[in-house]
Amino acid sequence: KAGVTQTPRYLIKTRGQQVTLSCSPISGHRSVSWYQQTPGQGLQFLFEYFSETQRNKGNFPGRFSGRQFSNSRSEMNVSTLELGDSALYLCASSPQGQGISHEQFFGPGTRLTVL
Amino acid sequence: AQTVTQSQPEMSVQEAETVTLSCTYDTSESDYYLFWYKQPPSRQMILVIRQEAYKQQNATENRFSVNFQKAAKSFSLKISDSQLGDAAMYFCAYRRWGGATNKLIFGTGTLLAVQP
Repeated sequence: KAGVTQTPRYLIKTRGQQVTLSCSPISGHRSVSWYQQTPGQGLQFLFEYFSETQRNKGNFPGRFSGRQFSNSRSEMNVSTLELGDSALYLCASSPQGQGISHEQFFGPGTRLTVL
Repeated sequence: AQTVTQSQPEMSVQEAETVTLSCTYDTSESDYYLFWYKQPPSRQMILVIRQEAYKQQNATENRFSVNFQKAAKSFSLKISDSQLGDAAMYFCAYRRWGGATNKLIFGTGTLLAVQP
């Protein structure tokens, strides 16, 4: 099976712009989670989707949003970018509902740089 | 709220030696999962080992084993016969029990260097 894929891998934006990141989970996985990784704050949970519904959300401002499509692919959007949004954004998928392992498989991440 | 603490920002080990990474956590729940993830320079997060809280037996995966002390809320990772490829950032993570969420709460990580 192909692993979790994230596009684009690298992105450079300027303050005030918006950005959309994409995540394709492992085939058959219905749960997708997003994390932000920065040197200062470490790994922080953004949100989680399961069967097109957001079922958990981290402590991030409303500028951060996401969605999940019927094929389980997920996108996250950040509007009005700030310098502090520069980070590695990681997506993880899980075979939720198909077993009890609950292991999360991570993608390679999207490196976002805000200038 | 649950928290995960890794008190060792950096560790170093000689090739073929053994190293132990520390992790403590805080939770009021009795059932949960604990994980160790490895993040090499390529940035791809890889699961190293997992432990279900209800299991008294410590998990083992080849050269990797854990020392799970539930009462002390401690979950350390032991790497035996360290290899150069073990050099990476290691994260301890907590997940609530059950299927309601897959949210992971991570520690701040321990950067492990392996000296040849």
